[in-house]
Amino acid sequence: EDQVTQSPEALRLQEGESSSLNCSYTVSGLRGLFWYRQDPGKGPEFLFTLYSAGEEKEKERLKATLTKKESFLHITAPKPEDSATYLCAVLNAGNNRKLIWGLGTSLGVNP
Amino acid sequence: GAVVSQHPSWVICKSGTSVKIECRSLDFQATTMFWYRQFPKQSLMLMATSNEGSKATYEQGVEKDKFLINHASLTLSTLTVTSAHPEDSSFYICSARGLGQETQYFGPGTRLLVL
Repeated sequence: EDQVTQSPEALRLQEGESSSLNCSYTVSGLRGLFWYRQDPGKGPEFLFTLYSAGEEKEKERLKATLTKKESFLHITAPKPEDSATYLCAVLNAGNNRKLIWGLGTSLGVNP
Repeated sequence: GAVVSQHPSWVICKSGTSVKIECRSLDFQATTMFWYRQFPKQSLMLMATSNEGSKATYEQGVEKDKFLINHASLTLSTLTVTSAHPEDSSFYICSARGLGQETQYFGPGTRLLVL
């Protein structure tokens, strides 16, 4: 069964303290892995799409990497405004093409 | 680029009334749009998928006569919650995907409260 597991469930960092969020997945053929950021009361904001193992993408303080069984979202020197829930989703290669979502990691960054 | 808007952002209605939520892709053509529902502290739950000009495909357990979806153009989809009841109160989010693309871009969401 296709599944996405994110860890940790919650993480609190000090400003400037770098860390990584994990997204482990099992899927029958990966068509894409997506990272989104969601602030309270808002829709998810797109961050990255990764398609194949070894691929990396960066945006400001965020860097996403992908292996055949997991993805990491690395946050370098975070700031309080990086506080949000980070969601991971995968798209399988089957006919239904529905996103399979993790439960997210709630990140808080203290000033 | 890839901006999706939703209207309204907030709606309060009386039980038994119908509510329409609009989802627009502002700078791209959305051949496929999705409607999600999200409960507090939970992940997104897909309600239905609609392709422009076609009938929506509903997920198991979602009442198609209660949640009417129309995707009449490449930039607009609407979700109508018919005869709303308090248990329909939730956060509704739409997303849109362009032709040949894999990434979904999300709207800001609509908070529905049924009294």
